Amino acid sequence: DQQVKQNSPSLSVQEGRISILNCDYTNSMFDYFLWYKKYPAEGPTFLISISSIKDKNEDGRFTVFLNKSAKHLSLHIVPSQPGDSAVYFCAAGAAGNKLTFGGGTRVLVKP
Amino acid sequence: DTEVTQTPKHLVMGMTNKKSLKCEQHMGHRAMYWYKQKAKKPPELMFVYSYEKLSINESVPSRFSPECPNSSLLNLHLHALQPEDSALYLCASSQGGSHLNTEAFFGQGTRLTVV
Repeated sequence: DQQVKQNSPSLSVQEGRISILNCDYTNSMFDYFLWYKKYPAEGPTFLISISSIKDKNEDGRFTVFLNKSAKHLSLHIVPSQPGDSAVYFCAAGAAGNKLTFGGGTRVLVKP
Repeated sequence: DTEVTQTPKHLVMGMTNKKSLKCEQHMGHRAMYWYKQKAKKPPELMFVYSYEKLSINESVPSRFSPECPNSSLLNLHLHALQPEDSALYLCASSQGGSHLNTEAFFGQGTRLTVV
């Protein structure tokens, strides 16, 4: 039972355009959401987070939107850069320090 | 210092060996985690330590034995592993305590191969 889903396994976008990554969750107990970026053979790197009391959080080129009623969050990267090419994981947290990860979306930014 | 340091980076071990993975952070974080990641899959939680006490064990086989000697260190002792245990083992830490769901910082991982 996948509680956190990223339905798009891959995404290709032109440099300078917007990348939109989507994530859906089923567990209404999740109250904190995070996005991680991962390069091959490296650990995930934290990008941005949002708590369930907000619907938007922005940090530079990265913006995360949360729609609690739809149990959906998205990550916008504007403008996309070739260095953004990586696998992006969304993760959801609940009480007890437990993070549940989605399956990941591989992003390719073409120059 | 926002680093989580894991050693070794790579490890090859036989099924009868005993080895340990080590993780260290000096951010004052009180929650530390072990995750396992297979190729093209998301990280899977194995253990959570909160204030040096084991708070979550995700039904991990006993051939994996975690240890938290102090608030900065986390070990994962390995014994009698199987080839299917080959994976990237990730350590992470977060503030923990009342900040249960703050971001977790990950180490670079140990690439484990069981032969």
